[in-house]
Order: sequence, then structure tokens, then C-alpha cells
Amino acid sequence: EIVLTQSPVTLSLSPGETATLSCRASESVGNSFIVWYQQKPGQAPRLLIYGPFGRATGIPDRFSGSGSGTDFTLTISRLEPEDFAVYYCQQFDTSPLTFGQGTRLEIK
Amino acid sequence: EVKLVQSGAEVKKPGASVKISCKVSGYTFPDSYIHWLKQAPGKGPEWMGFVDPDDGETKIAEKLQGRVTITADTSTDTAYLVLSSLTSDDSAVYYCARGLEQLSRLDYWGQGTQVTVSS
Repeated sequence: EIVLTQSPVTLSLSPGETATLSCRASESVGNSFIVWYQQKPGQAPRLLIYGPFGRATGIPDRFSGSGSGTDFTLTISRLEPEDFAVYYCQQFDTSPLTFGQGTRLEIK
Repeated sequence: EVKLVQSGAEVKKPGASVKISCKVSGYTFPDSYIHWLKQAPGKGPEWMGFVDPDDGETKIAEKLQGRVTITADTSTDTAYLVLSSLTSDDSAVYYCARGLEQLSRLDYWGQGTQVTVSS
């Protein structure tokens, strides 16, 4: 199965800054098959970014995804207080679906 | 509005089975897959399997085969997860989520069901 490794484990930033979160795959994944989720405490994961340019309904353009092959990035510009949460990447190029272990974005 | 509403928290003894339901609304149930995921504390979600409500086809993660059953009832727009031979390692939050394909992003999620296994 494809293993997804996210880094850093924790990212401490201030509102207004830009967050760069990494997701590295153990083998090549088509860039249409990596997605990103946001999870807040006590809530289910929420789909944020899919494919090379897709944003889920209601997701602001401060969130963007990029990457190819084995290296993918979620960028969050102009951090807002509500952006501080845990973020997961997921691949659906190959069965089974797999997720990274998450990056916790915390307020500095 | 698409909604997936799961059944409530469960407390089970080791060796028992648990059945969790996931009732959907806001879309045509047979048109999408329902996936089930486990999330242990502090961990990322772990895919368990899916059901195609249209024909009942299922696929279960290899490590869970023999312990997991996933079904769908189109008369009530409800999917079910049964996990048997419970151990403390099964204590986690379980989610159902909608996927448009067998291999898919998951665009809508249930609220989660806490399962606690304790003697």
C-alpha cells in the first residue's frame, strides 16, 4: 500500500502568516488522486482540496494544493484563527485508500 | 443538503460485536459508495472498506477480512458496519463517508461514532 508521510508533525504560526504543509508518498501518485482534509477537535474530517486545482464547496482561495509524483504541498495563505486545526492528505490512486498521519497547525 | 447521520456511542466487552449505522439523505443513495474509516486517538483515518448500495458489492481492507461486514439497505438509505471479535485496539471513532467511486475522495462524512471496548 502507498504510505503517506506528512511533515512537519506540528507547525506553529501566527495569524496572517503562510502555512506550508508537506505530504510525501512512498511511490508515485497521480496529482489528481491526492486530496487534503481539515479536522477540528470533535469533528469529522472536512474535504478541502482535490485534484490539481479543485477546492471543495465553501473553501476560500487562501487554500491551495500543488505537487506531483511523490511530493505534494498544501499552502494556506493569510492564516485566519479558524484555520488552526489538523490537516491530513489522502491518496486514492491505488487501493487501499491511505491517509497521512496529519500535521497539527497551532497558533504561535 | 447531503447528510450522513451515524448511530450513537457504544461500549462493548472484549470478544463482542458492534453494529454502527449511517443514514444518508440529500442525494440518491445507490448513486455513490459508502466508505467506513477508523480513527484512533491522535492518528489519521484508516480505511476499512466500502459498500456499493446499488448492488451490495463490498471490499474490505485485507487486515480486517473475516471481522468486518459492511451492508446497505436501500429501503432506508442506511449503511451498516459490523465489527466482530472486538479487542481494546478497536476502541476508536468510526466514520462513514461518501465516495463517488471505489477509489475516491470522500466528500461528505458522518459525525463519527465512538466505540469503547472495555472489560
